[in-house]
Amino acid sequence: GAGVSQSPSNKVTEKGKDVELRCDPISGHTALYWYRQRLGQGLEFLIYFQGNSAPDKSGLPSDRFSAERTGGSVSTLTIQRTQQEDSAVYLCASSSGDRGGHYGYTFGSGTRLTVV
Amino acid sequence: DQQVKQNSPSLSVQEGRISILNCDYTNSMFDYFLWYKKYPAEGPTFLISISSIKDKNEDGRFTVFLNKSAKHLSLHIVPSQPGDSAVYFCAARIRARDKIIFGKGTRLHILP
Repeated sequence: GAGVSQSPSNKVTEKGKDVELRCDPISGHTALYWYRQRLGQGLEFLIYFQGNSAPDKSGLPSDRFSAERTGGSVSTLTIQRTQQEDSAVYLCASSSGDRGGHYGYTFGSGTRLTVV
Repeated sequence: DQQVKQNSPSLSVQEGRISILNCDYTNSMFDYFLWYKKYPAEGPTFLISISSIKDKNEDGRFTVFLNKSAKHLSLHIVPSQPGDSAVYFCAARIRARDKIIFGKGTRLHILP
């Protein structure tokens, strides 16, 4: 597609439920990143994919968080047993070329997750 | 441990004047520095970058300056326009780690 697409754009869920957030990167971009932004905070790195593998998962906050990428394209971020502190905007980005150096990443518009 | 720091949460500048956004970093292994701009309800958009081997990069109204000895970079916008009102994130990349680390952002208000 023309840009990075994320769905849903908004999600309200009850505490304890599981949620799945989807990211469709720009076609041909091999690298995919998940970040989150909690209220009043900066962008917090969660996980990075190169193709289907995740060389860096160091930002996942707990084992309730997991992510996968299939076919080198779509990625899903899953949060199990959601907690109120999981409320944030979850941003997905993809990149190619100089792996984010010269050109940076292209971000989607994010999924705003609210846990009530 | 914040590796990329933006110490000013907000900044107000008169339209037509110069906006200067500042950023400090702690990690000597960063090889690229980037600035992103974010409007409400949208994802951040890439604005300009600079390699660690350079000290200045200019693109239209936007110039980024890098002072490696001080571990400091700044983004200059001149002249400032109303559409520049947004949150600006400073970011840096460690090539070997292949991920970008972001600061907390500075909200820029351009006053009429």
